[in-house]
Amino acid sequence: AQSVTQLGSHVSVSEGALVLLRCNYSSSVPPYLFWYVQYPNQGLQLLLKYTSAATLVKGINGFEAEFKKSETSFHLTKPSAHMSDAAEYFCAVIRISGNTPLVFGKGTRLSVIA
Amino acid sequence: EAQVTQNPRYLITVTGKKLTVTCSQNMNHEYMSWYRQDPGLGLRQIYYSMNVEVTDKGDVPEGYKVSRKEKRNFPLILESPSPNQTSLYFCASSPWLGSYEQYFGPGTRLTVT
Repeated sequence: AQSVTQLGSHVSVSEGALVLLRCNYSSSVPPYLFWYVQYPNQGLQLLLKYTSAATLVKGINGFEAEFKKSETSFHLTKPSAHMSDAAEYFCAVIRISGNTPLVFGKGTRLSVIA
Repeated sequence: EAQVTQNPRYLITVTGKKLTVTCSQNMNHEYMSWYRQDPGLGLRQIYYSMNVEVTDKGDVPEGYKVSRKEKRNFPLILESPSPNQTSLYFCASSPWLGSYEQYFGPGTRLTVT
């Protein structure tokens, strides 16, 4: 069964600092992995996805994530945080068996301090 | 504009009073789904529909009903809401089950007193 674990329910960074949001996955087969972002009072939108091509994936708004099979990780990073990055971020993995294409992590809330 | 719409966005109701939350997508997507989001629990799937007239239970279906009479619409029905259904609800769609990328509506915040 596929699953994801997001380490840290809340991360706080200063404006201009590095953003690192952690996600580890469990999958019996090569996974497809996703990061979604939820801005306040909005639905989720896709930030980036890994589908077994390049291991370093670039997404919108300067975010990127690196797939590391040896560490079963797919951490999300951004070199310099902006105030507008404050949101909740969800890591997700496909679920091959069952009815839904995605299994979501519990989310990490990112706060950016001026 | 391609989008998923939900109505209402906010709803406060009382225990036992039937309600419907509507969901509509204009992207001709086959697959539609309902999630609830609760603090510390992430998103949990309630029901899904692979295409018209085909629906099935997700991970937390108790207390909910759905119908899919048209491709674009997928309403969520609470026949007798209870306080434990107070939550943030999202509708989502994707071209088909295997396309993986889902498009989410803006959410409906439901409070049941």
